[in-house]
Amino acid sequence: DVKVTQSSRYLVKRTGEKVFLECVQDMDHENMFWYRQDPGLGLRLIYFSYDVKMKEKGDIPEGYSVSREKKERFSLILESASTNQTSMYLCASSSYPQEAFFGQGTRLTVV
Amino acid sequence: AQSVTQLGSHVSVSEGALVLLRCNYSSSVPPYLFWYVQYPNQGLQLLLKYTSAATLVKGINGFEAEFKKSETSFHLTKPSAHMSDAAEYFCAVNQAGANSKLTFGKGITLSVRP
Repeated sequence: DVKVTQSSRYLVKRTGEKVFLECVQDMDHENMFWYRQDPGLGLRLIYFSYDVKMKEKGDIPEGYSVSREKKERFSLILESASTNQTSMYLCASSSYPQEAFFGQGTRLTVV
Repeated sequence: AQSVTQLGSHVSVSEGALVLLRCNYSSSVPPYLFWYVQYPNQGLQLLLKYTSAATLVKGINGFEAEFKKSETSFHLTKPSAHMSDAAEYFCAVNQAGANSKLTFGKGITLSVRP
């Protein structure tokens, strides 16, 4: 069974903290994505990666960075968390042009 | 650039009625199109996909969608709604070509009345 695993379902962090969200896939997919989901705004792409050490900005990259040192792992980093980054974060992987597979999501609250 | 438009944020139907969720896309090259469903507190699950084969695509749970190039549409339908269909539905587009990103619409919440 294919799997995309996000390290946490729920996180609470303080303003100014550095936050790491981890995502691992076991399907040998070349593409990995980080989305942010907010009510009424749908899924907005933060960053995606099409190969190890390769990354491209999505639609809302400000305040975020990513790391992909190994094919199976894609990390999202909030350098200095702010309250407006409170959201649901979804990781996905795909092998072009097939569908993306999603993790269960991480609900991040920044206080 | 590619984009997806899902008009309206909420659709309500009676159990047994037709479900129609609209999706229009823009893409400068032939697209690949997807419908996903999200149940509360869960990730997204693929319902169906169009990848340049048959224009009428059948998916899971009785859903289907038709790709209409002339209308740049990929509307999702189900002949008879079931209570378990209540969820949020997302349309997504991926342009042909490697390294292209998957772009989602804003989603539509489907409610099913008994």
